[in-house]
Amino acid sequence: DQQVKQNSPSLSVQEGRISILNCDYTNSMFDYFLWYKKYPAEGPTFLISISSIKDKNEDGRFTVFLNKSAKHLSLHIVPSQPGDSAVYFCAASEAGANNLFFGTGTRLTVIP
Amino acid sequence: EPEVTQTPSHQVTQMGQEVILRCVPISNHLYFYWYRQILGQKVEFLVSFYNNEISEKSEIFDDQFSVERPDGSNFTLKIRSTKLEDSAMYFCASSQDRGLTEAFFGQGTRLTVV
Repeated sequence: DQQVKQNSPSLSVQEGRISILNCDYTNSMFDYFLWYKKYPAEGPTFLISISSIKDKNEDGRFTVFLNKSAKHLSLHIVPSQPGDSAVYFCAASEAGANNLFFGTGTRLTVIP
Repeated sequence: EPEVTQTPSHQVTQMGQEVILRCVPISNHLYFYWYRQILGQKVEFLVSFYNNEISEKSEIFDDQFSVERPDGSNFTLKIRSTKLEDSAMYFCASSQDRGLTEAFFGQGTRLTVV
């Protein structure tokens, strides 16, 4: 029951360029979406979120776009930096629920 | 910066043994969670806890699992009789509000059942 899917297990990007990480979901009841970053031997770290009433949320170099009709969201990182190299997890929750559904993650490598 | 801490970082146990994984959530947070990640797989929700009781749990969280907040600071996950398939990274998380806005995760406990 893969309700949240990240179809790209890995992505390599040159430093300074844009990184685009994609996420698809199947559950139309999801109304809150989050991106987490995870370094080895650490827990996931919250990065940015978006509510279903919005289609874009921006925080510094990070922007999340939500396309509800396509059940698709993406995380844009620009400009990408070597310190951004990590595994990025997309997660979603239903209104009023208290649990997150995670994708399988995308490993981003930013090449200096 | 406040953080969620988990101990131990790595636990090796024999199949059939009981294990207790410990977590200290962020002090002013009210909602507590356990997640796990089997190697190479996605992070999966186990249970959420609020006001000293379980608020939600997944199918994974069967009778072998239990959670407790024995005092004002610790939040524990107990696996009564471990199985090989319980081997995973277990993450504790906490949040101030319902809905997991900005849930903060601990660094995880790697459980290896042999």
